Amino acid sequence: ELKVEQNPLFLSMQEGKNYTIYCNYSTTSDRLYWYRQDPGKSLESLFVLLSNGAVKQEGRLMASLDTKARLSTLHITAAVHDLSATYFCAGGGNQFYFGTGTSLTVIP
Amino acid sequence: GAVVSQHPSRVICKSGTSVKIECRSLDFQATTMFWYRQFPKQSLMLMATSNEGSKATYEQGVEKDKFLINHASLTLSTLTVTSAHPEDSSFYICSTYRATNEKLFFGSGTQLSVL
Repeated sequence: ELKVEQNPLFLSMQEGKNYTIYCNYSTTSDRLYWYRQDPGKSLESLFVLLSNGAVKQEGRLMASLDTKARLSTLHITAAVHDLSATYFCAGGGNQFYFGTGTSLTVIP
Repeated sequence: GAVVSQHPSRVICKSGTSVKIECRSLDFQATTMFWYRQFPKQSLMLMATSNEGSKATYEQGVEKDKFLINHASLTLSTLTVTSAHPEDSSFYICSTYRATNEKLFFGSGTQLSVL
């Protein structure tokens, strides 16, 4: 079973600041996903990373993948309140396993 | 629009009853469906992987007689929580993988509350 760990678990940041969420995984993963979840809701897909060195950006979020280090990052640029949510990474091939999640609160 | 439809979104039942949750893939054939459960403020835990026309594969520690999974067609998978108890109260989410765009799609989730 693929083990996926995220840090930090909780993140409180001021609007306008930058920060990075880290996702480490234990064994080879065919692909790496990032999702956002709002309270009581299902998951919203953010990024799919398929190869070493992949970098994707959407708005204030940028995700990258280093398969050699078994590490993915989600970088937040100039945070705004609307980004407050829980962010999950997930990896796998035949099954998909989720990280512990990072609860992000952006303070005005 | 939604790729995976999950129903019901919320169910409240008495202890000892069984609850069925349906998950339908709307615009493609889902040979594999994943079922997750999520406790409040925790991550998603993979419960089982269901494959159309065959028995589901359960993760370690998940009771197969408790959580019955049926995947009788390429568009429908069901999870039945049998003889539900308060500790089964959780958010259950189905998911399927579409190989054409390598994306993992999720249902809207079912909040189960067992009294």
